[in-house]
Amino acid sequence: QQPVQSPQAVILREGEDAVINCSSSKALYSVHWYRQKHGEAPVFLMILLKGGEQKGHDKISASFNEKKQQSSLYLTASQLSYSGTYFCGTAIYGGSQGNLIFGKGTKLSVKP
Amino acid sequence: EAQVTQNPRYLITVTGKKLTVTCSQNMNHEYMSWYRQDPGLGLRQIYYSMNVEVTDKGDVPEGYKVSRKEKRNFPLILESPSPNQTSLYFCASSLKGPYNYGYTFGSGTRLTVV
Repeated sequence: QQPVQSPQAVILREGEDAVINCSSSKALYSVHWYRQKHGEAPVFLMILLKGGEQKGHDKISASFNEKKQQSSLYLTASQLSYSGTYFCGTAIYGGSQGNLIFGKGTKLSVKP
Repeated sequence: EAQVTQNPRYLITVTGKKLTVTCSQNMNHEYMSWYRQDPGLGLRQIYYSMNVEVTDKGDVPEGYKVSRKEKRNFPLILESPSPNQTSLYFCASSLKGPYNYGYTFGSGTRLTVV
């Protein structure tokens, strides 16, 4: 039931764009996105609740597809501060209300 | 400042010696949860609590216990730690359950069992 994130790792130059995908074999009620910098706790970025929803702030946005089995995180005009590991967390339709399952993460490195 | 506080930050212990990792939040959140993070495996849920006196198993509960006697506190208990419980542990809270609300994480506890 663990969602699959792709790619596992990506290296960018400042100003380049990246897309991180999160796919589930089961229909999802919601999807969370978090960023974790080395040696720190994960930080909440956003939650998507509705199929077809798109959300974002600053240059980081995300979408949740209509079938609610896939979400994508978009980072545009990347900055050095975007470096870190990004995790999606998934809440499965019909699952336990307290159960949030994370993917294995995508390591993003932004170089000058 | 709204936060989740975990203690200790680092802990080295010996196999079989009972230990407790504390977690406290000051945001009046109903929901709290424990995760462990291991390289290449991501964050795996140990236990969660939807509210006071309500706890349930996550995906990897073996070898752990929890209790939720007060809304703000959610301690993680390892009654007989083993080396395979060496990991980075995070406590998280949210206003209600994660189906609709994002998590605030504590700073983490790095546990080594020798």
